Amino acid sequence: DAKTTQPNSMESNEEEPVHLPCNHSTISGTDYIHWYRQLPSQGPEYVIHGLTSNVNNRMASLAIAEDRKSSTLILHRATLRDAAVYYCILFSGAGSYQLTFGKGTKLSVIP
Amino acid sequence: EAQVTQNPRYLITVTGKKLTVTCSQNMNHEYMSWYRQDPGLGLRQIYYSMNVEVTDKGDVPEGYKVSRKEKRNFPLILESPSPNQTSLYFCASSLLGRPNQPQHFGDGTRLSIL
Repeated sequence: DAKTTQPNSMESNEEEPVHLPCNHSTISGTDYIHWYRQLPSQGPEYVIHGLTSNVNNRMASLAIAEDRKSSTLILHRATLRDAAVYYCILFSGAGSYQLTFGKGTKLSVIP
Repeated sequence: EAQVTQNPRYLITVTGKKLTVTCSQNMNHEYMSWYRQDPGLGLRQIYYSMNVEVTDKGDVPEGYKVSRKEKRNFPLILESPSPNQTSLYFCASSLLGRPNQPQHFGDGTRLSIL
């Protein structure tokens, strides 16, 4: 799977929107962009995924650049429960359908 | 509630004593997978299964076995555990494993092999 680049850490104030960036300049046409998050002492949790168009669900929104070389996960109103490591993953489904997790962005939410 | 359930959540055991970590999902998913998570190394896939009786090796299968006799269950077996298998283990499932489908993870099993 192609590589992604994310900031190591970000901070946000509670109840404010958060924009988590991800660069993936070598993305291929069949790569889906997935976002997962991992809260302390828990397993990774699916957040959202998309291919070309922006996507919304109850947890977040995903904004995908027109050239698909970057994307942004948007949490509309951060809560303390959103403090986690967020992983941006390019998933082509080749081979073992393995999700390749990088280092992710550690999001801290300030009360 | 749709979920992936792992047991036990924590286990401390000794070298060479066979152990099994169970994984069960209630979503009728065909694809299931095991990962281990180690500091600095991220999550690495151990084994995966595309369907009942269909299993295959991931990136780090040495020292592990799996079986898939029923769709809902995918146990991870350590026949002769060693200290380098001390890790945090996650089971995951997906409808068919395809890239347009989310994967769902269990809460993890922390294994310590002394």
